[in-house]
Amino acid sequence: QQQVKQSPQSLIVQKGGISIINCAYENTAFDYFPWYQQFPGKGPALLIAIRPDVSEKKEGRFTISFNKSAKQFSLHIMDSQPGDSATYFCAASNFNKFYFGSGTKLNVKP
Amino acid sequence: NAGVMQNPRHLVRRRGQEARLRCSPVKGHSHVYWYRQLPEEGLKFMVYLQKENIIDESGMPKERFSAEFPKEGPSILRIQQVVRGDSAAYFCASSDGANYGYTFGSGTRLTVV
Repeated sequence: QQQVKQSPQSLIVQKGGISIINCAYENTAFDYFPWYQQFPGKGPALLIAIRPDVSEKKEGRFTISFNKSAKQFSLHIMDSQPGDSATYFCAASNFNKFYFGSGTKLNVKP
Repeated sequence: NAGVMQNPRHLVRRRGQEARLRCSPVKGHSHVYWYRQLPEEGLKFMVYLQKENIIDESGMPKERFSAEFPKEGPSILRIQQVVRGDSAAYFCASSDGANYGYTFGSGTRLTVV
């Protein structure tokens, strides 16, 4: 049973465009929703995270939108750059256990 | 302040051998988590440990896999009698348990030949 579903599996965006990655979850007990960025050969690195009591969080070019009633959250990367090309994972957590989405491979074309 | 240190970075084992993966958490972190990542796939939870205790091992295969986090020293993920299907990247993460931020290591890439 997959606790967190992520889409799309891969994404190609032109430089300067907006990248949007979506995730959906089932368990209403989740109370922390982070996004991780992973470059080839590296471990995932925390990018931005949100708690369910807010609907949006923005840090620089990265924004999380959270829809509690729909049990969905998404990552928006504004002004996407080639350096953003990586795999992005959403996750949901409660009690210190994280469930990860299957990942989105983002390719930002120059 | 060093992050999570995993070693070795790459490990090659023949079928039937044992693989031992080590993880030193961020200094001051007492919670350690192991995840497995197959090529082109997401991270699958394996086990959650605190010092000298296994808190949740619901993601660990029932046989051949074990984990420990002793009072002193790194956390160890041990895979006995490895098979080709064990080939994957194994990531360790740590936290202080007080906030939800995980810090991941760079992983150990296990190849079984």
